[in-house]
Amino acid sequence: DQQVKQNSPSLSVQEGRISILNCDYTNSMFDYFLWYKKYPAEGPTFLISISSIKDKNEDGRFTVFLNKSAKHLSLHIVPSQPGDSAVYFCAASGRAGGTSYGKLTFGQGTILTVHP
Amino acid sequence: NAGVTQTPKFQVLKTGQSMTLQCAQDMNHEYMSWYRQDPGMGLRLIHYSVGAGITDQGEVPNGYNVSRSTTEDFPLRLLSAAPSQTSVYFCASSYSLGGYGYTFGSGTRLTVV
Repeated sequence: DQQVKQNSPSLSVQEGRISILNCDYTNSMFDYFLWYKKYPAEGPTFLISISSIKDKNEDGRFTVFLNKSAKHLSLHIVPSQPGDSAVYFCAASGRAGGTSYGKLTFGQGTILTVHP
Repeated sequence: NAGVTQTPKFQVLKTGQSMTLQCAQDMNHEYMSWYRQDPGMGLRLIHYSVGAGITDQGEVPNGYNVSRSTTEDFPLRLLSAAPSQTSVYFCASSYSLGGYGYTFGSGTRLTVV
């Protein structure tokens, strides 16, 4: 049972345009949601996170939106740059004190390609 | 500041052999984890530690052992390697949980033949 799903295996966008990466989850006990970026032969790098008490968090070109009722989150990258080309993973963990607190459940990843 | 260091980077094992994947961090992080990445499946949690002497199982713990004798080190032991353990293994650490992202090492690519 995949609790965190990224249904788009790949996304291709033009440099300067917006990239929107989507993620769905099924476990209502998740309390924190994170996005990671991964280049080949490297470990994932933390990008941005959001708590379930918020619906938006912004950091520079990256914005994460959370829709709790739909159990859906998205990562917006504006403007997209060729250096953003990588695999993007969404991840979730449970609330403090719960058995899944700090244990990340990852989606399958989406390959983003930004064309010059 | 080296961050999270994993050794070796590559390893080939024969079925039935045992080995230890090393992980060390120099950031004084309390929380450390091991994940494996397989094609099309994202990363899955193997074992987890909230501090020296305390470990917990993740989603796919079978065939692996861990111990945490110091804050800095969190080795992962494969007891009797199987082809199903062919994967890329990542160690990660964090000073806090929740929305504070883990710092990942660069990975160990393991092939079991």
